[in-house]
Amino acid sequence: DAKTTQPTSMDCAEGRAANLPCNHSTISGNEYVYWYRQIHSQGPQYIIHGLKNNETNEMASLIITEDRKSSTLILPHATLRDTAVYYCIVRVTEAGGTSYGKLTFGQGTILTVHP
Amino acid sequence: DAGVIQSPRHEVTEMGQEVTLRCKPISGHNSLFWYRQTMMRGLELLIYFNNNVPIDDSGMPEDRFSAKMPNASFSTLKIQPSEPRDSAVYFCASSFEWGYTFGSGTRLTVV
Repeated sequence: DAKTTQPTSMDCAEGRAANLPCNHSTISGNEYVYWYRQIHSQGPQYIIHGLKNNETNEMASLIITEDRKSSTLILPHATLRDTAVYYCIVRVTEAGGTSYGKLTFGQGTILTVHP
Repeated sequence: DAGVIQSPRHEVTEMGQEVTLRCKPISGHNSLFWYRQTMMRGLELLIYFNNNVPIDDSGMPEDRFSAKMPNASFSTLKIQPSEPRDSAVYFCASSFEWGYTFGSGTRLTVV
């Protein structure tokens, strides 16, 4: 799986959008971009994933550049409860969406949302 | 759906004792993963199973660690004998297709 690079930490004001960048310049054509977060003392939580199109769900939006070498996770209206470590992961997903491959976590970005 | 269930939530044991961590994956999920998290090393994948078969155990630190998945609804991670450096939070996760769900973890302290 391709390696990712994320900033160590970021701050965001409550109510503002949090934009978390991720660099994955060695991503392959069959690798998806996944985002997870880990709130203190809890297990990692799935946020969103995508291949090449921008994606949005009830939690966040994922913007992937056209060359797929980087992406940005957007939390549109950050709250104090969004304070967590955010992990960007790229991994192979087999054709058809079925996958049993492993998730390899890096160090992630510590996002602190302040009042 | 109760999610991925791990037990115990906390375990304190003495060095040299055997420790068994348990995991019940989400029904219908066909892959199961054991991770370990420490401040120094972050989240490390220890082993994963697909359809109850171990696929990759390259992350298992040494022979003191073993994992089994006797059926689709249960897995164990055993450490024998335990050492203080095994102190960590151990997470189990299960998945079907792309969606991974993690349990709440077992905090292991070896004294």
